[in-house]
Amino acid sequence: EVQLLESGGVLIQPGGSLRLSCAASGFTFTNYAMSWVRQAPGKGLDWVSGVGTSDAFTYYTDSVKGRFTISRDNSKNTLYLQMNSLRVEDTAVYYCAKGSSGGRPYYFDSWGQGTLVTVSS
Amino acid sequence: EIVVTQSPGTLSLSPGERATLSCRASQGITSSSLAWYQQKPGQAPRLLIYGASSRATGIPDRFSGSGSGTDFTLTISRLEPEDFAVYYCQEYGSSRTFGQGTKVEIK
Repeated sequence: EVQLLESGGVLIQPGGSLRLSCAASGFTFTNYAMSWVRQAPGKGLDWVSGVGTSDAFTYYTDSVKGRFTISRDNSKNTLYLQMNSLRVEDTAVYYCAKGSSGGRPYYFDSWGQGTLVTVSS
Repeated sequence: EIVVTQSPGTLSLSPGERATLSCRASQGITSSSLAWYQQKPGQAPRLLIYGASSRATGIPDRFSGSGSGTDFTLTISRLEPEDFAVYYCQEYGSSRTFGQGTKVEIK
């Protein structure tokens, strides 16, 4: 059974930095692309960033380019999202999502339960 | 960037009724790279449909997807109590954008 367990969400001040983690199990992590998807309170889903089977291929939505960095450690079956220069509008539940394949195009066939990031002074 | 727009915003129906949800893309979606997800309050999204019409593992056959190009539909043939939720479509071939969601609520 696929399991994705996010951690690292906290209350943080604007301008701060944070790293989210997603521990994966139940599948061969190295074979699948992964993504982060966020959901602001009461709002819809918003794809944030994706990574292929290695850090050589990374993708970002425009609003986080230059501030967020996605990475993966295949030896630890873990996905990360380094978030810098955080803004109030980054407040959301951040979901880790497993891609359906190792390369594009892929849909999200498994999701974690999410971790809440609150950016507020 | 491909923008996907869902309609209606809210659908009020009774258990046993048929639900028809629409998803329209601003440009043609190649290879039918369109997925549907279900999300219940306090839960993570769940994949229902991929490739516009293929049901994900374990999804009941009352859920069906159809369409191509720019117009896609999710149909729930007979609503069960557990089907009242928010549904999102997603274009995953290029921009990976989600629609804004359709809430299916009990009438």
